[in-house]
Amino acid sequence: DAKTTQPPSMDCAEGRAANLPCNHSTISGNEYVYWYRQIHSQGPQYIIHGLKNNETNEMASLIITEDRKSSTLILPHATLRDTAVYYCIVRAFYRDDKIIFGKGTRLHILP
Amino acid sequence: DSGVTQTPKHLITATGQRVTLRCSPRSGDLSVYWYQQSLDQGLQFLIHYYNGEERAKGNILERFSAQQFPDLHSELNLSSLELGDSALYFCASSVGVGSRAFFGQGTRLTVV
Repeated sequence: DAKTTQPPSMDCAEGRAANLPCNHSTISGNEYVYWYRQIHSQGPQYIIHGLKNNETNEMASLIITEDRKSSTLILPHATLRDTAVYYCIVRAFYRDDKIIFGKGTRLHILP
Repeated sequence: DSGVTQTPKHLITATGQRVTLRCSPRSGDLSVYWYQQSLDQGLQFLIHYYNGEERAKGNILERFSAQQFPDLHSELNLSSLELGDSALYFCASSVGVGSRAFFGQGTRLTVV
């Protein structure tokens, strides 16, 4: 079973920041938080991952709470092409043999 | 482009038949994962190979089997196909176990 909880769907206006929450209250000390997205039947796309510090790359920012029990993925300026299902996954680096996807959050970007 | 190549992109076959799906991982990646995604369903983990050895199995049917070859490409064999096996099949690769994975664009299998 997935170790994370995400809202099933969210809306965001085009050009605004999309903030996608994820709860992972049972996360272990050696587990990273990964985010992927799947755009309409394409292969899932890696977005970002982090352990405890906030991370930023060209696609998004990841904010992890100090107790590491939840995180937020931020798409700073959402476009219509960001409409997708977003998955939050916790995995232990160099240990977990499986990547278990939950149901994710279906993000709708509204024009 | 993730660097993971899956062939064929589309496959239509009849019930009872056998098919082979192929996955070429990114250069240098030792891990290959296989997933099944039925229509409007989630991504179901099937199996994981690391450097030729099976590392983990998920909800993979006995009619399905996989292997990873010395050149690190992998094949997923589906036999005695049923209508319910129609789905997207994705493979992913990563450098090691637990590191970030990159997915191919999938093979769409239609069983008629």
